[in-house]
Parts: sequence; structure tokens; C-alpha cells
Amino acid sequence: DAKTTQPPSMDCAEGRAANLPCNHSTISGNEYVYWYRQIHSQGPQYIIHGLKNNETNEMASLIITEDRKSSTLILPHATLRDTAVYYCIVRVASNFGNEKLTFGTGTRLTIIP
Amino acid sequence: NAGVTQTPKFQVLKTGQSMTLQCAQDMNHNSMYWYRQDPGMGLRLIYYSASEGTTDKGEVPNGYNVSRLNKREFSLRLESAAPSQTSVYFCASLFFGDSYGYTFGSGTRLTVV
Repeated sequence: DAKTTQPPSMDCAEGRAANLPCNHSTISGNEYVYWYRQIHSQGPQYIIHGLKNNETNEMASLIITEDRKSSTLILPHATLRDTAVYYCIVRVASNFGNEKLTFGTGTRLTIIP
Repeated sequence: NAGVTQTPKFQVLKTGQSMTLQCAQDMNHNSMYWYRQDPGMGLRLIYYSASEGTTDKGEVPNGYNVSRLNKREFSLRLESAAPSQTSVYFCASLFFGDSYGYTFGSGTRLTVV
């Protein structure tokens, strides 16, 4: 699986959009970009994923560059409950079961009141 | 409620003692995983099971054994606990071809003294 690079920490004002970047310059054509977050040492929580197109769900938006070498997770109206460590991961989606997530150290996002 | 259940939530062991961490999921997922997370670090894969009856080593398997008891249950055993195994342990599961991500348990906080 491709490696990812994220800034170690970021701050964002409450109510503003939080934009979390991720670099995955060695991503392969069949690898998806996934985002998870971990709040206060709880188990990681799935946020969103994408392959090529931009994606949006009730939690966030994912913007993937045309060359797929980087992406940005957008939390449109950050709240204090969004304070967490955010992990960007790339993985091949296969049906063989031998897939495993590799977590880096992520970005610690702090929402400031 | 559907999800991944880990027991116990907390445990203190003396060096050399053994114990088994239990994990069960009720989502009919095929693949199950054990991760550990040390303070300030990302998650590291210990072992995984792509399907019932199969197990494979992850990134940090030394000092651990696993059993995929059935499709629902995947246990992690420490035969002779060491202080270096003090960590938070997370279990996760995944359905074959499920592109919506993994489901994690809430973790077991283990301290070896």
C-alpha cells in the first residue's frame, strides 16, 4: 500500500471549515483513499473514502486531485467534537480478505472555541 | 447493537502472566484484525484473519498468538506478558468487498507491570 504524509497537527476555529491535507504521491491506480478519525483514544471511526471523484457524505467532503497524488478532507463546519486525530490511508479494495490498513501518525486536529 | 465487542476493557498483568483478549463481531464480517496503539503512535497490525480458519502475521506479531474460533470471534493471547506489551489493543472487522471501511472495537487498555 502507498505511504501517506500528513501534517502532525492543525488548529481550526469552531464553525469554520477544517481542511486536512494528505499527500500520497505513490498511490496506485487501484488504491482508494480512506479517512478515519480517532477521538480521545476510542477506536478509529470511518469518515469517507474515494477513488478518483470527489465525495461527500453527512460527515465530510473528500477532494482528490486529478493526478490522485494528494487529497483534502473537509469538515465544513467544525465543532468541538471534531477534535481528534485524523488518519489518511490508501488501500487496495480487493475481495481476497488479505487487506490490512496501515496507519501512520495522522493529523491531530484541535478545534478552538 | 451491531458492532465489534472487546473484553476486557481494562487489564493489569504482572510480567510473565498470560491472558487472552476477546473480540466478537455480529455483522457477519469475514476478516478480523488485531492492532496495538502505543502512546502518541498510530495503530500497528499484530495479526489478522482473512476468513474463518486462517490467520496471518502483521507488522508486530512477536509475543502474541491468535485464534479465529469461528466467524464471529477472534482472540489474541499473550503467553508471557512483558512491559513492552503495555498498550491499547483494538480489534476490527471487515466484510469482503465492503468499500465502506472497517469497524473497530472500543479497545482494551493493558498495563504490564
